[in-house]
Amino acid sequence: SQTIHQWPATLVQPVGSPLSLECTVEGTSNPNLYWYRQAAGRGLQLLFYSVGIGQISSEVPQNLSASRPQDRQFILSSKKLLLSDSGFYLCAWSSPGRDKNEQFFGPGTRLTVL
Amino acid sequence: EDQVTQSPEALRLQEGESSSLNCSYTVSGLRGLFWYRQDPGKGPEFLFTLYSAGEEKEKERLKATLTKKESFLHITAPKPEDSATYLCAVLAYNTDKLIFGTGTRLQVFP
Repeated sequence: SQTIHQWPATLVQPVGSPLSLECTVEGTSNPNLYWYRQAAGRGLQLLFYSVGIGQISSEVPQNLSASRPQDRQFILSSKKLLLSDSGFYLCAWSSPGRDKNEQFFGPGTRLTVL
Repeated sequence: EDQVTQSPEALRLQEGESSSLNCSYTVSGLRGLFWYRQDPGKGPEFLFTLYSAGEEKEKERLKATLTKKESFLHITAPKPEDSATYLCAVLAYNTDKLIFGTGTRLQVFP
């Protein structure tokens, strides 16, 4: 069966510091991978998605970036965090192709920028 | 523009009191509509996918239905463990991007 991991679970960082959040998926090959942010009282906002190694699509212009160095690894980064980057970050995966569209989410990372 | 609106924002039920959650959507060609359950501090848990009007899916006390403009999540005789935020999302044919609603926060009291 497939599992998705995210770490760290919680993170408190000062403004201006760098960020690296990691997501890995087990039990599937060539998944589509997604990064979402969920702010309090708001819906999930898609930040990046990837259909393969090195292929990243950005949905929202901001100071965040994403990379996919391996088939089942997705990384969210920032060089300098802003207060507005605080939120709950979720990684998700879906099967490759367009036949199965369900996205399955990881446990999330709670980021607080002070 | 593709859009999803969920109502009500919050719902308080007595244990055993059945009710429905609404998800209204506008999308340029629906590829699928998805329901998720999210507990506080956790990632959303997939519940159902609906593909065409008239389709229904059931899981324990939950039943999801779909029309051309909206979906309902019916909760029959809810229990306190059904308390969670329920999220609806749609996927259009011209994109791989899920559009989420802001959710309905359900509280079931014993």
